[in-house]
Amino acid sequence: QQQVKQSPQSLIVQKGGISIINCAYENTAFDYFPWYQQFPGKGPALLIAIRPDVSEKKEGRFTISFNKSAKQFSLHIMDSQPGDSATYFCAASNHAYSGAGSYQLTFGKGTKLSVIP
Amino acid sequence: KAGVTQTPRYLIKTRGQQVTLSCSPISGHRSVSWYQQTPGQGLQFLFEYFSETQRNKGNFPGRFSGRQFSNSRSEMNVSTLELGDSALYLCASSPKEGKGQPQHFGDGTRLSIL
Repeated sequence: QQQVKQSPQSLIVQKGGISIINCAYENTAFDYFPWYQQFPGKGPALLIAIRPDVSEKKEGRFTISFNKSAKQFSLHIMDSQPGDSATYFCAASNHAYSGAGSYQLTFGKGTKLSVIP
Repeated sequence: KAGVTQTPRYLIKTRGQQVTLSCSPISGHRSVSWYQQTPGQGLQFLFEYFSETQRNKGNFPGRFSGRQFSNSRSEMNVSTLELGDSALYLCASSPKEGKGQPQHFGDGTRLSIL
């Protein structure tokens, strides 16, 4: 059972455009939603994360929008640059805010973003 | 601060062999998690260790095991290797204190089974 569904699988965006990646989750116990960026040959690197009591979080050109009732969240990359070309993963976990329990992350399948000049 | 270090970076084994991968977490981090990444299944959780105890385990066969030492360094072991075990194995560390602390990943060990 895939608990986090991510779309699209691949995305091509012009330089300067907006990249939008969507994720939907099933487990209502999830309480922490990070996005990771992965370049070839590297491990995933944390981009930005959000808690369910916040509807939007912005860090630089990256914004997470969160819709708790729809169980959906999305990543927006403004003014996309060729250097943003990478694979992006959404993820979710529970108990991260309890101070106890597991930090287990459940990942989406990933979106390969290509930003063309 | 040094990041998560995984060794070796690349490994080639044959079916039936066993392998041990190593992970050194960020200094001060006490939780270490392991993930398997494949093109077909994506990133899948293997297990998590905290203070030398396995705190959680993913849906993998018993051939996959791990341990954590008193200095928080961790190893994972895969016995009786199968072709399907070819993957990138990622280690991530998190501190205990602080709510919502993120997991920081190493660059992984690429395991190829011939």
